[in-house]
Amino acid sequence: GENVEQHPSTLSVQEGDSAVIKCTYSDSASNYFPWYKQELGKGPQLIIDIRSNVGEKKDQRIAVTLNKTAKHFSLHITETQPEDSAVYFCAANLGTDSWGKLQFGAGTQVVVTP
Amino acid sequence: EAEVAQSPRYKITEKSQAVAFWCDPISGHATLYWYRQILGQGPELLVQFQDESVVDDSQLPKDRFSAERLKGVDSTLKIQPAELGDSAMYLCASRGQGQHGYTFGSGTRLTVV
Repeated sequence: GENVEQHPSTLSVQEGDSAVIKCTYSDSASNYFPWYKQELGKGPQLIIDIRSNVGEKKDQRIAVTLNKTAKHFSLHITETQPEDSAVYFCAANLGTDSWGKLQFGAGTQVVVTP
Repeated sequence: EAEVAQSPRYKITEKSQAVAFWCDPISGHATLYWYRQILGQGPELLVQFQDESVVDDSQLPKDRFSAERLKGVDSTLKIQPAELGDSAMYLCASRGQGQHGYTFGSGTRLTVV
C-alpha cells in the first residue's frame, strides 16, 4: 500500500520568511497529490493540489513541486503571515485504487511568529 | 460555499457506552469517507462509500464500529462499545464525480472517559 512520509513535524518561521514542507511517497502509480491546511478545531481544508502530469503549480503565495522520479513533492509558502499558522498535511492517492482513496502524511505544525 | 455538515461537534462518553456521529455530504457527492484522526497524526481512513455501498472498510474495527449510508446521502458512524483508545477526531469527507480533492467537515471530537 501507499506510505507517505512528511518532514519536518514542526516548523517555526519569522513572518515574511518562506516555509517548505517535504513529503515522499512509495506507490509509483500515485498520480494525485493534495495539500491540506488544518486550523485548530477544524477539519482539513484543501489548499492546493498537483497531478502527476505537471511538475509545479502555484497559487498566489503557495506553490507545490513534484518530482515523480524521486517520488517526492513539496509545499512552498512565501511571505508567510501569522494566519498561515496551522497544521499542514500532504497526501497521495493510491494509484491502483479507483475510488480516490488518499493516504495522508503525519502533518507539519507551522508556527509563524510576528 | 457548499460544506460537509457533521454533528455533534463534541462528544464525551463513558467507556462501554454507544456513540454515534452523523454526516451530511455536499449535495450530489456520491463518494463519502469517514476518517479518524488521533491527536498529532494524519487522518486514517475507516470506511468509504460509493452511493449507499461500502467500497472499502478494511480499516474499520468491525467488532465495535459500524457505518451506514442507507439512502446514499447522509451517513452515520457508530461505536459500540466505546473504548478509551477511541478518543479522537472523526472526520467525514465527500468527493464529487470526476473530482480528486476531498471536502472535509469540521469533525466530531470524541472523548471517552
